[in-house]
Amino acid sequence: AQRVTQPEKLLSVFKGAPVELKCNYSYSGSPELFWYVQYSRQRLQLLLRHISRESIKGFTADLNKGETSFHLKKPFAQEEDSAMYYCALNNYGQNFVFGPGTRLSVLP
Amino acid sequence: GAGVSQSPSNKVTEKGKDVELRCDPISGHTALYWYRQRLGQGLEFLIYFQGNSAPDKSGLPSDRFSAERTGESVSTLTIQRTQQEDSAVYLCASSLVSAIQETQYFGPGTRLLVL
Repeated sequence: AQRVTQPEKLLSVFKGAPVELKCNYSYSGSPELFWYVQYSRQRLQLLLRHISRESIKGFTADLNKGETSFHLKKPFAQEEDSAMYYCALNNYGQNFVFGPGTRLSVLP
Repeated sequence: GAGVSQSPSNKVTEKGKDVELRCDPISGHTALYWYRQRLGQGLEFLIYFQGNSAPDKSGLPSDRFSAERTGESVSTLTIQRTQQEDSAVYLCASSLVSAIQETQYFGPGTRLLVL
């Protein structure tokens, strides 16, 4: 069965420090992976997706098929990055599976 | 349009009552998803509509849950004989086509509390 895990419920870093939000998945095929973000009092929104190979707001994520991971990274965290982050996978046109989320808190 | 809208924004009901939650997707979006988010937990997929195809109901937790969608417009999620464990935020999302290719746009959610 498809599954997405995010081992950290809460991650606190200081402003300017690097941040890495971990995501691991279990899936037998080649999934598409996404990161969604929910800022305080805002709707859940797409941050980035593997298929686009993009960097959004300084965040990048690399798919490592050997480790079945899709960790989200940013070299220098900003206070406005504080939010809830969800990793998700899609098994090609079918349903999405979301991880439990990691709350990132960037301290001044 | 203004984005995905959901109503009501909050709903308090008594155990055993039926509730109906509504989702208005972005106009022209063929794909529509319902999710449930319990307090402190991640999103749990419930059901997926794609155009005129049969919906993917694989995430519905019990036969008390059902959902309908009229064409490519409004969807309603119905929970019959509500239980306290149904208390959660119910999120709806839509995308232009299957969200594997397009971004999912989420609504603000309906917060359901079953007493």
